[in-house]
Amino acid sequence: GAGVSQSPRYKVTKRGQDVALRCDPISGHVSLYWYRQALGQGPEFLTYFNYEAQQDKSGLPNDRFSAERPEGSISTLTIQRTEQRDSAMYRCASSSIAGGPEQFFGPGTRLTVL
Amino acid sequence: DQQVKQNSPSLSVQEGRISILNCDYTNSMFDYFLWYKKYPAEGPTFLISISSIKDKNEDGRFTVFLNKSAKHLSLHIVPSQPGDSAVYFCAASVGAGNKLTFGGGTRVLVKP
Repeated sequence: GAGVSQSPRYKVTKRGQDVALRCDPISGHVSLYWYRQALGQGPEFLTYFNYEAQQDKSGLPNDRFSAERPEGSISTLTIQRTEQRDSAMYRCASSSIAGGPEQFFGPGTRLTVL
Repeated sequence: DQQVKQNSPSLSVQEGRISILNCDYTNSMFDYFLWYKKYPAEGPTFLISISSIKDKNEDGRFTVFLNKSAKHLSLHIVPSQPGDSAVYFCAASVGAGNKLTFGGGTRVLVKP
């Protein structure tokens, strides 16, 4: 398909483990965004990239969270030493820099920390 | 502090009638506003947007109205169809391409 893909779709891990969430944006999209969504709430911004450059990481909650996009395409969001409060839906979106403000979202990764 | 608020958590409407969803914001720097629709187990899907230089944008059955002085926008769906039953999020950004700030969502149920 031509949409944003994320893997894994579901991840269950134990407290203290590291997890890596992957996002594959729409081909050719320059901008890539990470959001986190708690149940019953709207997505909350974490960080975003233009090409491989991280433009804004103001939404990352603490230094256990990091993201990279080394070749300007696929991105990985890493959470180290996971805690139960990290449990949420993690959403990735991408957009064309030549387009409007709209961002196109993937299906998300549901992270559960036991 | 929530910069984008959707004060109605749910809305029920009869098929064929108008659905009106409301959204309020506090940040006067927002210049792009968007509506997304979300079905269960799927990611949000972009519906329609409006920039702050306009007060109305229409796309088929969907119309978004922006009242900058009141810091308020609304989405009208006419006529409502059962397939419109979903959660609708409004979002705003400062500049195209920057982060989106979302409201908490409104669940719409369209009854046949």
